Amino acid sequence: QVQLQESGPGLVMPSQTLSLTCTVSGDFINSAGYHWSWVRQPAGKGLEWIGHTYTNGNINFNPSLKSRLTISLDMSKNQFSLKLSSVTAADTAVYYCATYFEGYGGQGHWGQGTLVTVSS
Amino acid sequence: DIQMTQSPSTLSASVGDRVTITCRASQTLNNWLAWYQQKPGKAPKLLIYKASNLESGVPSRFSGSGSGTEFTLTISSLQPDDFATYYCQQFNSYSWTFGQGTKVDVK
Repeated sequence: QVQLQESGPGLVMPSQTLSLTCTVSGDFINSAGYHWSWVRQPAGKGLEWIGHTYTNGNINFNPSLKSRLTISLDMSKNQFSLKLSSVTAADTAVYYCATYFEGYGGQGHWGQGTLVTVSS
Repeated sequence: DIQMTQSPSTLSASVGDRVTITCRASQTLNNWLAWYQQKPGKAPKLLIYKASNLESGVPSRFSGSGSGTEFTLTISSLQPDDFATYYCQQFNSYSWTFGQGTKVDVK
């Protein structure tokens, strides 16, 4: 059973870079077929897909965030990470990491989520 | 990008009711659609994958149907634990998108 855990600063200054890490247990991050994704949810609002990366390193981004976004894998630590630059208050949200297995048709495993607030 | 339109945004129902939520896509999805349940302060939980497949451990009162651009989540007999917000998500393009959500509350 794959388990995910987000970690990172809960407060980020405006115009700075938001950095989060998702630690994976129960399987290896370089296992074939996995897509490792990020989703966020502002308070009281719906879910927004941010982007996902494959084990081969290919990445797909939400077009509205693409210019500010980096997603990467760290095989040595069994982690994947999210970096969102030039943040504003609109980036304040609960951030989730999640898995998608190729051909499954649903994101089956989720982290518990971590709140990131953008404020000075 | 594929746009997902979910309806209704809010649904008031009673225990025992049959509940139906609809998701319409701007392009055909080839059944690459999932349904999730989310409760306050919790991560989403996968209910249905690839349009009509029940995720392991999910009660059989939940079902998914549809094809092309129109999909439905049905709860056959609403239970107290089912009051929550439900989302659809498409995976047919490289850019995934969620529906806006449907909150099921007490009538």
